[in-house]
Amino acid sequence: SQTIHQWPATLVQPVGSPLSLECTVEGTSNPNLYWYRQAAGRGLQLLFYSVGIGQISSEVPQNLSASRPQDRQFILSSKKLLLSDSGFYLCAWSVLRGRYEQYFGPGTRLTVT
Amino acid sequence: AQSVTQLDSQVPVFEEAPVELRCNYSSSVSVYLFWYVQYPNQGLQLLLKYLSGSTLVKGINGFEAEFNKSQTSFHLRKPSVHISDTAEYFCAVSQWNNDMRFGAGTRLTVKP
Repeated sequence: SQTIHQWPATLVQPVGSPLSLECTVEGTSNPNLYWYRQAAGRGLQLLFYSVGIGQISSEVPQNLSASRPQDRQFILSSKKLLLSDSGFYLCAWSVLRGRYEQYFGPGTRLTVT
Repeated sequence: AQSVTQLDSQVPVFEEAPVELRCNYSSSVSVYLFWYVQYPNQGLQLLLKYLSGSTLVKGINGFEAEFNKSQTSFHLRKPSVHISDTAEYFCAVSQWNNDMRFGAGTRLTVKP
C-alpha cells in the first residue's frame, strides 16, 4: 500500500533562517505531488504541485520554493523565513490531477519566531 | 475555475444527534467532489468521493453525502454522531486535469 511521510513533525525557526521540509511517498510511481499550507483556523492553500521530476508549478508567489529531485521526493524550502510563514504544511499525492483523490501526509507544524 | 463554499464554519451538536455539513460549489463543467476529515495536528483523511454514477455516496465512519447538480451542492450527513466525530471537515472540488480546491472547513463539535 501507499504511504506518505513528512518530516520534521514540528519545527520552530527564527525569522530570517532557512527552511527545508521533506516529503516522500512509498508504494507508487510517478505520483503528482502537492504542498499546501494551512494557517490557523483557515482552509488549505495550494503552494506548489509537481507532475514529475524537476517539474514544479507555483500557485502563489512568495519566498518559498519547491523541488523534486527524485520521483517520490518533494522538498519545500526557503532561504529566509518570515513570520507569516508560520502554519501547518501538508504534503499530498495523487495518481492524476483532478479526477482522483489526494492522499495527505501527517503534516509539519512550523512556528516562525 | 471551480470554487467551494462551506456554509457553516462551526457546527455544535449533541452526541447521537444527526448532523449535516453543507457544501456548495461553483463550476461551469463537470466536477468531482470530495469530503475530508482532519483531526487536530493531523493530515486530511478522505471520507468519501463522488466521481460519477449514483448521487448518494457512502463513506467511512457512517458518513454519506448527496450530489445535487441542480443546487450545486454536496452536503455531508451522519444520522447519529459520536464524540469521536469531533474534527474539522473539508469539502473539495476538482475538474479533469485541474487542481483540487478546498472549502474553508467546518468545525464539528460533538457534545456529550
